[in-house]
Amino acid sequence: GAGVSQSPSNKVTEKGKDVELRCDPISGHTALYWYRQRLGQGLEFLIYFQGNSAPDKSGLPSDRFSAERTGESVSTLTIQRTQQEDSAVYLCASSLVFPYNEQFFGPGTRLTVL
Amino acid sequence: LAKTTQPISMDSYEGQEVNITCSHNNIATNDYITWYQQFPSQGPRFIIQGYKTKVTNEVASLFIPADRKSSTLSLPRVSLSDTAVYYCLVGDAGHSGNTPLVFGKGTRLSVIA
Repeated sequence: GAGVSQSPSNKVTEKGKDVELRCDPISGHTALYWYRQRLGQGLEFLIYFQGNSAPDKSGLPSDRFSAERTGESVSTLTIQRTQQEDSAVYLCASSLVFPYNEQFFGPGTRLTVL
Repeated sequence: LAKTTQPISMDSYEGQEVNITCSHNNIATNDYITWYQQFPSQGPRFIIQGYKTKVTNEVASLFIPADRKSSTLSLPRVSLSDTAVYYCLVGDAGHSGNTPLVFGKGTRLSVIA
Protein backbone atom coordinates (compact mmCIF):
# COMPACT_ATOMS: atom_id res chain seq x y z
CA GLY A 1 0.00 0.00 0.00
CA ALA A 2 0.95 3.66 -0.20
CA GLY A 3 3.50 4.87 2.29
CA VAL A 4 4.10 8.31 3.73
CA SER A 5 4.65 10.91 1.04
CA GLN A 6 6.21 14.33 1.31
CA SER A 7 6.40 17.28 -1.02
CA PRO A 8 8.37 18.93 -2.38
CA SER A 9 11.33 16.56 -2.34
CA ASN A 10 13.70 19.51 -2.63
CA LYS A 11 13.19 23.18 -1.85
CA VAL A 12 15.65 25.99 -2.34
CA THR A 13 14.67 29.35 -0.95
CA GLU A 14 16.18 32.67 -0.08
CA LYS A 15 16.79 33.81 3.44
CA GLY A 16 13.75 35.58 4.85
CA LYS A 17 11.19 33.80 2.69
CA ASP A 18 8.44 31.54 4.08
CA VAL A 19 8.21 27.88 3.09
CA GLU A 20 5.52 25.21 3.43
CA LEU A 21 6.31 21.53 3.55
CA ARG A 22 3.61 18.92 3.09
CA CYS A 23 3.17 15.44 4.52
CA ASP A 24 0.59 12.83 3.53
CA PRO A 25 0.54 10.09 6.18
CA ILE A 26 -0.52 6.50 5.73
CA SER A 27 -4.30 6.26 5.71
CA GLY A 28 -5.66 5.33 9.11
CA HIS A 29 -2.57 6.37 11.04
CA THR A 30 -3.67 8.61 13.89
CA ALA A 31 -0.22 9.87 14.89
CA LEU A 32 1.97 12.13 12.78
CA TYR A 33 5.46 13.42 13.54
CA TRP A 34 7.80 16.00 12.10
CA TYR A 35 11.57 15.78 12.51
CA ARG A 36 14.53 17.80 11.32
CA GLN A 37 17.83 16.20 10.36
CA ARG A 38 20.87 18.35 9.71
CA LEU A 39 23.69 16.93 7.62
CA GLY A 40 25.43 14.09 9.44
CA GLN A 41 23.29 14.50 12.53
CA GLY A 42 20.54 12.48 14.19
CA LEU A 43 16.86 13.28 14.05
CA GLU A 44 15.55 16.27 15.99
CA PHE A 45 11.93 15.97 17.07
CA LEU A 46 9.83 19.00 16.12
CA ILE A 47 6.13 18.31 16.65
CA TYR A 48 3.69 15.45 17.17
CA PHE A 49 -0.02 15.14 16.36
CA GLN A 50 -2.18 12.42 17.91
CA GLY A 51 -5.79 12.21 16.79
CA ASN A 52 -7.78 15.21 17.94
CA SER A 53 -5.54 15.96 20.90
CA ALA A 54 -3.59 19.21 21.11
CA PRO A 55 -0.28 18.73 19.31
CA ASP A 56 2.96 18.33 21.24
CA LYS A 57 4.94 21.36 20.06
CA SER A 58 7.76 20.96 22.54
CA GLY A 59 10.38 20.40 19.86
CA LEU A 60 9.73 23.46 17.72
CA PRO A 61 12.97 25.49 17.80
CA SER A 62 11.38 28.94 17.51
CA ASP A 63 8.09 30.72 16.86
CA ARG A 64 9.01 30.85 13.18
CA PHE A 65 8.05 27.18 13.02
CA SER A 66 4.44 26.03 13.02
CA ALA A 67 2.51 23.01 11.84
CA GLU A 68 -1.07 22.09 11.19
CA ARG A 69 -2.89 18.88 10.57
CA THR A 70 -6.31 18.48 9.03
CA GLY A 71 -8.12 15.77 10.99
CA GLU A 72 -6.10 12.58 10.64
CA SER A 73 -4.76 13.38 7.19
CA VAL A 74 -2.44 15.91 5.60
CA SER A 75 -0.04 18.01 7.64
CA THR A 76 1.89 21.11 6.67
CA LEU A 77 5.01 22.43 8.37
CA THR A 78 5.53 26.15 7.86
CA ILE A 79 8.79 27.96 8.43
CA GLN A 80 8.52 31.73 8.36
CA ARG A 81 11.40 34.11 7.61
CA THR A 82 13.75 31.24 6.88
CA GLN A 83 17.34 31.39 8.09
CA GLN A 84 20.38 29.55 6.78
CA GLU A 85 20.44 27.38 9.89
CA ASP A 86 17.02 26.03 8.86
CA SER A 87 18.72 24.15 6.02
CA ALA A 88 18.14 20.46 6.68
CA VAL A 89 16.08 17.46 5.66
CA TYR A 90 12.61 17.60 7.16
CA LEU A 91 11.18 14.15 7.77
CA CYS A 92 7.58 13.24 8.42
CA ALA A 93 6.42 9.97 9.96
CA SER A 94 3.08 8.44 10.86
CA SER A 95 2.06 5.59 13.11
CA LEU A 96 -0.76 3.63 14.62
CA VAL A 97 -0.58 4.50 18.28
CA PHE A 98 -2.02 1.26 19.50
CA PRO A 99 -0.85 -1.48 19.91
CA TYR A 100 2.65 -0.26 19.22
CA ASN A 101 4.36 2.84 18.01
CA GLU A 102 6.27 1.84 14.87
CA GLN A 103 6.82 5.00 12.88
CA PHE A 104 6.76 4.91 9.09
CA PHE A 105 8.85 7.63 7.53
CA GLY A 106 8.49 9.55 4.33
CA PRO A 107 11.43 10.31 2.03
CA GLY A 108 11.88 13.79 3.45
CA THR A 109 12.09 17.30 2.05
CA ARG A 110 15.57 18.72 1.61
CA LEU A 111 15.42 22.43 2.40
CA THR A 112 18.25 24.72 1.39
CA VAL A 113 18.19 28.33 2.51
CA LEU A 114 20.57 30.54 0.56
CA LEU B 1 12.13 11.01 28.35
CA ALA B 2 14.79 8.38 28.86
CA LYS B 3 18.16 9.33 27.41
CA THR B 4 20.14 6.78 25.44
CA THR B 5 23.87 6.42 24.88
CA GLN B 6 25.29 4.37 22.06
CA PRO B 7 28.64 4.27 20.25
CA ILE B 8 29.08 6.86 17.54
CA SER B 9 30.47 4.41 15.02
CA MET B 10 31.44 0.76 14.48
CA ASP B 11 33.22 -1.13 11.73
CA SER B 12 32.70 -4.76 10.80
CA TYR B 13 33.69 -7.20 8.07
CA GLU B 14 31.11 -8.90 5.93
CA GLY B 15 29.77 -12.14 7.38
CA GLN B 16 30.44 -11.21 11.00
CA GLU B 17 27.86 -10.79 13.72
CA VAL B 18 27.54 -7.20 14.89
CA ASN B 19 26.35 -6.23 18.35
CA ILE B 20 25.45 -2.62 19.10
CA THR B 21 24.82 -1.82 22.75
CA CYS B 22 22.69 1.05 23.97
CA SER B 23 22.62 2.34 27.54
CA HIS B 24 19.41 3.73 29.02
CA ASN B 25 19.93 3.94 32.75
CA ASN B 26 16.76 5.90 33.55
CA ILE B 27 14.34 3.77 31.57
CA ALA B 28 10.81 3.92 32.98
CA THR B 29 8.50 1.02 33.74
CA ASN B 30 6.26 1.75 30.75
CA ASP B 31 9.11 2.30 28.30
CA TYR B 32 9.83 0.03 25.37
CA ILE B 33 13.15 -0.19 23.51
CA THR B 34 13.01 0.31 19.77
CA TRP B 35 15.71 0.24 17.11
CA TYR B 36 15.60 1.94 13.73
CA GLN B 37 17.91 1.75 10.71
CA GLN B 38 18.61 4.67 8.38
CA PHE B 39 20.28 4.48 5.00
CA PRO B 40 21.70 7.62 3.38
CA SER B 41 19.06 9.90 1.86
CA GLN B 42 16.21 7.86 3.34
CA GLY B 43 14.00 8.10 6.38
CA PRO B 44 14.61 5.67 9.26
CA ARG B 45 13.05 2.23 9.14
CA PHE B 46 11.81 0.19 12.11
CA ILE B 47 13.93 -2.87 12.88
CA ILE B 48 12.81 -4.33 16.17
CA GLN B 49 11.13 -3.50 19.46
CA GLY B 50 11.14 -5.17 22.85
CA TYR B 51 10.35 -4.76 26.52
CA LYS B 52 12.45 -7.43 28.22
CA THR B 53 14.48 -10.59 27.62
CA LYS B 54 14.97 -11.43 23.96
CA VAL B 55 13.11 -10.59 20.79
CA THR B 56 14.00 -12.01 17.39
CA ASN B 57 12.69 -11.33 13.93
CA GLU B 58 13.89 -12.00 10.40
CA VAL B 59 16.29 -9.06 10.52
CA ALA B 60 17.79 -8.90 14.00
CA SER B 61 17.70 -9.93 17.63
CA LEU B 62 17.30 -7.65 20.61
CA PHE B 63 18.71 -8.65 23.98
CA ILE B 64 17.48 -6.87 27.09
CA PRO B 65 18.86 -7.79 30.54
CA ALA B 66 16.63 -8.06 33.58
CA ASP B 67 17.41 -4.53 34.84
CA ARG B 68 16.59 -3.09 31.38
CA LYS B 69 19.26 -0.44 31.76
CA SER B 70 20.83 -1.43 28.48
CA SER B 71 19.98 -3.35 25.33
CA THR B 72 21.95 -4.96 22.53
CA LEU B 73 20.94 -5.08 18.90
CA SER B 74 22.46 -8.11 17.20
CA LEU B 75 22.77 -8.30 13.41
CA PRO B 76 23.76 -11.77 12.22
CA ARG B 77 26.21 -12.15 9.33
CA VAL B 78 26.20 -8.55 8.13
CA SER B 79 26.60 -7.65 4.50
CA LEU B 80 27.65 -4.43 2.77
CA SER B 81 23.99 -3.46 2.52
CA ASP B 82 23.78 -3.28 6.32
CA THR B 83 25.95 -0.17 6.27
CA ALA B 84 23.68 2.41 7.87
CA VAL B 85 23.01 4.44 11.00
CA TYR B 86 21.27 2.53 13.79
CA TYR B 87 19.19 4.40 16.36
CA CYS B 88 18.22 3.16 19.80
CA LEU B 89 15.06 4.74 21.19
CA VAL B 90 13.45 4.37 24.58
CA GLY B 91 9.98 5.57 25.39
CA ASP B 92 6.38 4.73 25.90
CA ALA B 93 5.42 2.76 22.80
CA GLY B 94 2.17 4.56 22.39
CA HIS B 95 0.18 2.56 24.89
CA SER B 96 -0.75 5.79 26.62
CA GLY B 97 -0.85 7.53 23.30
CA ASN B 98 1.00 10.60 24.40
CA THR B 99 4.75 10.29 24.17
CA PRO B 100 6.68 10.21 20.92
CA LEU B 101 9.95 8.35 20.77
CA VAL B 102 13.12 10.44 20.76
CA PHE B 103 15.94 9.78 18.30
CA GLY B 104 19.56 10.34 19.36
CA LYS B 105 22.61 10.57 17.14
CA GLY B 106 22.71 6.85 16.41
CA THR B 107 25.57 4.45 15.64
CA ARG B 108 27.10 4.59 12.19
CA LEU B 109 27.88 1.01 11.14
CA SER B 110 30.31 0.53 8.28
CA VAL B 111 30.56 -2.97 6.81
CA ILE B 112 33.78 -3.70 5.00
CA ALA B 113 34.27 -6.33 2.32
